[in-house]
Amino acid sequence: GAVVSQHPSRVICKSGTSVKIECRSLDFQATTMFWYRQFPKKSLMLMATSNEGSKATYEQGVEKDKFLINHASLTLSTLTVTSAHPEDSSFYICSAPPTLQETQYFGPGTRLLVL
Amino acid sequence: QKEVEQDPGPLSVPEGAIVSLNCTYSNSAFQYFMWYRQYSRKGPELLMYTYSSGNKEDGRFTAQVDKSSKYISLFIRDSQPSDSATYLCAMRPFSGGYNKLIFGAGTRLAVHP
Repeated sequence: GAVVSQHPSRVICKSGTSVKIECRSLDFQATTMFWYRQFPKKSLMLMATSNEGSKATYEQGVEKDKFLINHASLTLSTLTVTSAHPEDSSFYICSAPPTLQETQYFGPGTRLLVL
Repeated sequence: QKEVEQDPGPLSVPEGAIVSLNCTYSNSAFQYFMWYRQYSRKGPELLMYTYSSGNKEDGRFTAQVDKSSKYISLFIRDSQPSDSATYLCAMRPFSGGYNKLIFGAGTRLAVHP
């Protein structure tokens, strides 16, 4: 199957700082990528759809100025959590569907802890 | 009512048992159906993918889709302790390039030796 990577896998930061998470499709191109947030023992919550070359589409209730998304190329999307606070601590996962395929492949996730 | 309903479990079975995991949905437009397995603190891994109704088998895993009943299932034969994970069903309609998935809540499965 297709491979999606995320970096970093784990990050600890101080409250008020910004954190950038990268999502890369390693062996395919993806014009669209998705960013999810997951709380312990809960299902995935879609945050936003990242579109290469255009603005991201955010789900209702997700602050676009808080969670900045940039889809710089067909293999890279970044999520920046700005002015992070402890309530932003969570597991962030990206996914990407290969072009012309109906399935999505997920990255390994990034665990963010804001102190 | 949620678009996709999935019993969160937990489901505990002995090693070697046949496991049945299920999801129901309300949107008749859903055409693509997927099952993902997620181990603790890891990203979901695609297990099975089916289009429209029918069965699909891959090793110990069988996925079934019954669109008339809006019901999908994943069967695991000869379950192993390594199958202990959360299983998420996901689905989406056929709509050109629109490919946002709708997920179930996930069922936690524990296979004990």
